[in-house]
Amino acid sequence: SYELTQPSSVSVSPGQTAIITCSGDKLGDTYVSWYQQKPGQSPVLVIYQDTKRPSGIPERFSGSDSGNTATLTISGTQAVDEADYYCQAWDSSTYWVFGGGTKLTVL
Amino acid sequence: EVLLVESGGGLVQPGGSLRLSCSAFGFTFSNYDMHWVRQATGKGLEWVSAIGLVGDTYYPASVKGRFTISRESANNSLYLQMNSLRAEDTAVYYCARGSPINVNTFDIWGQGTMVTVS
Repeated sequence: SYELTQPSSVSVSPGQTAIITCSGDKLGDTYVSWYQQKPGQSPVLVIYQDTKRPSGIPERFSGSDSGNTATLTISGTQAVDEADYYCQAWDSSTYWVFGGGTKLTVL
Repeated sequence: EVLLVESGGGLVQPGGSLRLSCSAFGFTFSNYDMHWVRQATGKGLEWVSAIGLVGDTYYPASVKGRFTISRESANNSLYLQMNSLRAEDTAVYYCARGSPINVNTFDIWGQGTMVTVS
């Protein structure tokens, strides 16, 4: 089965750049989406098709995908960005797959 | 406003059944793939089922043969029939819409409904 691997936690200081990675076999060959989930809330789509932001998502959120790794980058991280982040992709055998999630802490 | 509202969660004994519903508002329901995604308390997201525009269905191995997804466009509703429930099925169940831009992305999520198997 297809698996996506994320670090369990990432810490960043306010105003700095947060980088969250997602690794999977040949991940660069498929589109990756990223979701933000705050405590007690539903997930929110923040990046789709590797690099695109839905309407209403701040420009400080960006994404990339190459080789076996996709990356979510949050520039100028704010306290409001503290949340769990999940990557997600589609695989022909496993269908829709999520990474295990990364807890972003803004110290 | 585009909105998904789940209902039907509750407490059920192991081996029992439960039917979840999801009502869609603010978009043409029949034009979108729809999904169920679950999340156990303190755990990550797990895709549970999908249904396409023509009723084609997809499931992961963990629920295949026990869960059945269906849709009723006349009522703008999505359903998940869950049978032979196990303790490990305990989770918040979210209804999610497949994005019109990339069907492999979930662009709208409901607020979730809690299922407890105990």
